[in-house]
Amino acid sequence: AQSVTQLGSHVSVSEGALVLLRCNYSSSVPPYLFWYVQYPNQGLQLLLKYTTGATLVKGINGFEAEFKKSETSFHLTKPSAHMSDAAEYFCAVRGKEGGGNKLTFGTGTQLKVEL
Amino acid sequence: DTAVSQTPKYLVTQMGNDKSIKCEQNLGHDTMYWYKQDSKKFLKIMFSYNNKELIINETVPNRFSPKSPDKAHLNLHINSLELGDSAVYFCASSQAGVETQYFGPGTRLLVL
Repeated sequence: AQSVTQLGSHVSVSEGALVLLRCNYSSSVPPYLFWYVQYPNQGLQLLLKYTTGATLVKGINGFEAEFKKSETSFHLTKPSAHMSDAAEYFCAVRGKEGGGNKLTFGTGTQLKVEL
Repeated sequence: DTAVSQTPKYLVTQMGNDKSIKCEQNLGHDTMYWYKQDSKKFLKIMFSYNNKELIINETVPNRFSPKSPDKAHLNLHINSLELGDSAVYFCASSQAGVETQYFGPGTRLLVL
């Protein structure tokens, strides 16, 4: 079985500060890892994903994440927060075994950006 | 053009009623999903269809019945609605062999 833990249900940063959203996963096989963003009253939008290859993955809106197998982590970062980054962020995992491409989500982290 | 669309966007209904939510994707994908997001924003998969065949059914009450008339559509019918069914329901789609799932805007269901 696979699972995702997102540490910190709420993160608050100042505009221009570093954003760090934490995600740890559990999977019996090397996983596919995703970060999705959800703006208020909207659906989920893919920020970035890791499947194979380079462990540092760059996504949209200046976000990036690094897959660290030894730490079973896939933390999301952005060097400089912008007000428009305020949203809910979800980390998700999908095992490379069968199971019909099921995504297992973390509980989400609400990012607040303050002036 | 909207890639994954859902109707209705909002649905308010009484306990005991039966309602349906429709989902359509124009991405040419062969796999579609229904997810439920509860009041704490926790997202959990409910069903997945591949080429109109059910491939994932996660311990969902049998009051929920998905139907896929073709690869581009996956509808969700809910019988005898209960208060606990209040949630946001998201449809998603993907192509077999490609990992990314694309989500619709969600249907906000409120059962009174």
